[in-house]
Amino acid sequence: DIQMTQSPSSLSASVGDRVTITCRASQSISSYLNWYQQKPGEAPKLLIYATSSLQSGVPSRFSGSGSGTQFTLTISSLQPEDFATYYCQQAYSPEYTFGQGTILEI
Amino acid sequence: EVQLLESGGALVQPGGSLRLSCAASGFTFSNYAMSWVRQAPGKGLEWVSFISGGSVSTHYADSVKGRFTVSRDNSKNTLFLQMSTLRAEDTAIYYCAKVMVPAAPGFDYWGQGTLVTVSS
Repeated sequence: DIQMTQSPSSLSASVGDRVTITCRASQSISSYLNWYQQKPGEAPKLLIYATSSLQSGVPSRFSGSGSGTQFTLTISSLQPEDFATYYCQQAYSPEYTFGQGTILEI
Repeated sequence: EVQLLESGGALVQPGGSLRLSCAASGFTFSNYAMSWVRQAPGKGLEWVSFISGGSVSTHYADSVKGRFTVSRDNSKNTLFLQMSTLRAEDTAIYYCAKVMVPAAPGFDYWGQGTLVTVSS
């Protein structure tokens, strides 16, 4: 099975900061990498699919990059509503493994 | 508007069985694969199962293989998860999710989740 590892596990930042979250796959997954945001008590929300494609309605301050085994999610200027937990997910194999999550805190 | 509504969560004893349902609306259900994802209390997301639009292909996480069965009724726009031989570690919120087109297989819509508690 493909393992997904995110770093860091948690991150403290301030409004206006630029932050980057990294996701590493245990084997090449081409560009089949998705990112989700989850707030407490809510279902996850798709932010980015296929490494860098922004889901409809997601602000342009979110961006994704990478290929193969190394991927990043960048938030260019943090807004108060961005403080949440972020998960990467591989979609290369039909066992859609998630990373362990990154908690983004104020 | 796409809507996914899970139901069937309950308190069940270890070794018991439960069937979850996910009622879909707002899209052509049979054209899309679906998945189940769960989240144990205070933990991260765990993918559970996948079923293709026509039910030809199914996949399961190792943790549930042989105990859980995913199915769908396209005539009723409903997804199911039959869970048996339940364990304490199956306690979680279970979400159903719509899978985007095969070329970009993200989970673009999610239900609100249904809670399964396995405890004596």
